[in-house]
Amino acid sequence: GAVVSQHPSRVICKSGTSVKIECRSLDFQATTMFWYRQFPKQSLMLMATSNEGSKATYEQGVEKDKFLINHASLTLSTLTVTSAHPEDSSFYICSARNRPPSYEQYFGPGTRLTVT
Amino acid sequence: GENVEQHPSTLSVQEGDSAVIKCTYSDSASNYFPWYKQELGKRPQLIIDIRSNVGEKKDQRIAVTLNKTAKHFSLHITETQPEDSAVYFCAASGYSTLTFGKGTMLLVSP
Repeated sequence: GAVVSQHPSRVICKSGTSVKIECRSLDFQATTMFWYRQFPKQSLMLMATSNEGSKATYEQGVEKDKFLINHASLTLSTLTVTSAHPEDSSFYICSARNRPPSYEQYFGPGTRLTVT
Repeated sequence: GENVEQHPSTLSVQEGDSAVIKCTYSDSASNYFPWYKQELGKRPQLIIDIRSNVGEKKDQRIAVTLNKTAKHFSLHITETQPEDSAVYFCAASGYSTLTFGKGTMLLVSP
């Protein structure tokens, strides 16, 4: 299957600071990337859908000013958690989907964010 | 929007037994149904998927069945092994976003 990388794998930051997470599709061009959040022992919660060259579409309840998403190229999307607080601590996972008519989504390895 | 229900939440089997996980979905427009396996702290891995024009798909010990009329689909794992122990998620979508079930923790005892 396709390879998606995510960086960093773990990050610890202080409350009030911002953190950027990168998601890259390594061997295919991803017209669409997705950002998920996963709490311990829970399912994946979609935060936003990111299409290359356009603004991200956020799910209800997700603050777009807090979770900034940029999809500047067909292989890179970034998620910036701004003014992070302890309640933002979570496992953030991106996924990427190839060009139509592909349906498959391939996940990155995730980023464990801890806000102290 | 789409709503996916998954059962059971936990499933314990003996090595060599079969395991079945069931999901239902609400949106009749959904036409793509993947299953993911997630080990602790790792990424979800696509293990099998099925599209709505097919009723069953098999890949070695893993099979998925789909009943579009009843809006449910199931994952079947035969001859389970300890390394099958993980959390399994079903999902459903049209050509847009995936909606995930809550997951099933499968424990295979040697």
